[in-house]
Amino acid sequence: EAQVTQNPRYLITVTGKKLTVTCSQNMNHEYMSWYRQDPGLGLRQIYYSMNVEVTDKGDVPEGYKVSRKEKRNFPLILESPSPNQTSLYFCASSLSSRGRGENEQFFGPGTRLTVL
Amino acid sequence: GENVEQHPSTLSVQEGDSAVIKCTYSDSASNYFPWYKQELGKGPQLIIDIRSNVGEKKDQRIAVTLNKTAKHFSLHITETQPEDSAVYFCAAIRWGKLQFGAGTQVVVTP
Repeated sequence: EAQVTQNPRYLITVTGKKLTVTCSQNMNHEYMSWYRQDPGLGLRQIYYSMNVEVTDKGDVPEGYKVSRKEKRNFPLILESPSPNQTSLYFCASSLSSRGRGENEQFFGPGTRLTVL
Repeated sequence: GENVEQHPSTLSVQEGDSAVIKCTYSDSASNYFPWYKQELGKGPQLIIDIRSNVGEKKDQRIAVTLNKTAKHFSLHITETQPEDSAVYFCAAIRWGKLQFGAGTQVVVTP
């Protein structure tokens, strides 16, 4: 089944404890992206990747890191989480970076993160 | 950058009636406008999209219209059904960056 998977689905952690949220897609998509969803603010892009070893900042990159060493994986790293990073996080992928993102994005099921 | 405003934030409609969600964007160079539906506990899913060279697009009970001059686009759902209850997001893209609206919670009541 074609899908985007994220792990973990739920995470409660404490301020300053490094964490990684994994994202994997099995559709051979070039483009991958991370979003956070907050009430009243919709979905805001954190980072995106056009292809392996190519990443760029979205609108709210502060406090986050990403890497794209393999085509299928795009982990989101919070080196020192803070309470304002409590949010619902979505990973997404799309077929091609041609057209710079003008393709259907397939979203994962989301990761609910709480930072105490 | 792009700024997308979406209205209303909540919309309650009776089953069988129509629902309309409106979005405006700020960057006239934006050229792709998708709409995503998010059901409870799931990630958003594309339901329809429109490109800047088209004024209207339909897919069964769903239609999207685009007014480039006024920089606004709308989602129309006709003959609403309970399964249309969800959060709907509009978005605009320019040079690879997808900017989402804040979302509209649609509730279809029997």
